Amino acid sequence: GENVEQHPSTLSVQEGDSAVIKCTYSDSASNYFPWYKQELGKRPQLIIDIRSNVGEKKDQRIAVTLNKTAKHFSLHITETQPEDSAVYFCAGMEYGNKLVFGAGTILRVKS
Amino acid sequence: GAVVSQHPSRVICKSGTSVKIECRSLDFQATTMFWYRQFPKQSLMLMATSNEGSKATYEQGVEKDKFLINHASLTLSTLTVTSAHPEDSSFYICSAPGNGYTFGSGTRLTVV
Repeated sequence: GENVEQHPSTLSVQEGDSAVIKCTYSDSASNYFPWYKQELGKRPQLIIDIRSNVGEKKDQRIAVTLNKTAKHFSLHITETQPEDSAVYFCAGMEYGNKLVFGAGTILRVKS
Repeated sequence: GAVVSQHPSRVICKSGTSVKIECRSLDFQATTMFWYRQFPKQSLMLMATSNEGSKATYEQGVEKDKFLINHASLTLSTLTVTSAHPEDSSFYICSAPGNGYTFGSGTRLTVV
């Protein structure tokens, strides 16, 4: 099955700086890679996703890049704000449309 | 957009009792529902997949007799934790596939 590794586990940045979180996946057949933001005690919220037929997708301050050859994808957040502080999860999709999540990254934006 | 309603949001139960968690798709039909468990400061781990009209499929290591899953209709999936023990205390959350996967709001289960 799919295995998703995520780095770093924690990330502290100064407000206004950029944050980058990286994930690798094992199943070359995976074709859908979402990113979720989860605040304490709440449900994961989809912030951006990318399918394997594109290499990059951007939505305002958030972008995701995908390198199918290397089997890795990254989340980029620019101009970070304190409200971006949360846990971020990447995921890959395996057979049966099941999402397999990375271990998560705690992002702290210091003001 | 698609909404999944999950209840209860919090439940405290005594060891040995059973707890039922419900997930309802409010504005769409969900033939499949994924059930996850999340321990504090950890990731979401898939427990099982419920399918309307057929038996649920469980991930390796998940006890099917302990975590009973029923997909009674196209809008309702339930997870029952039977004979709960303190180690079952966790955050349980459901998710329906499609359009980015819609998550329920989660259930914080505490077994005392």
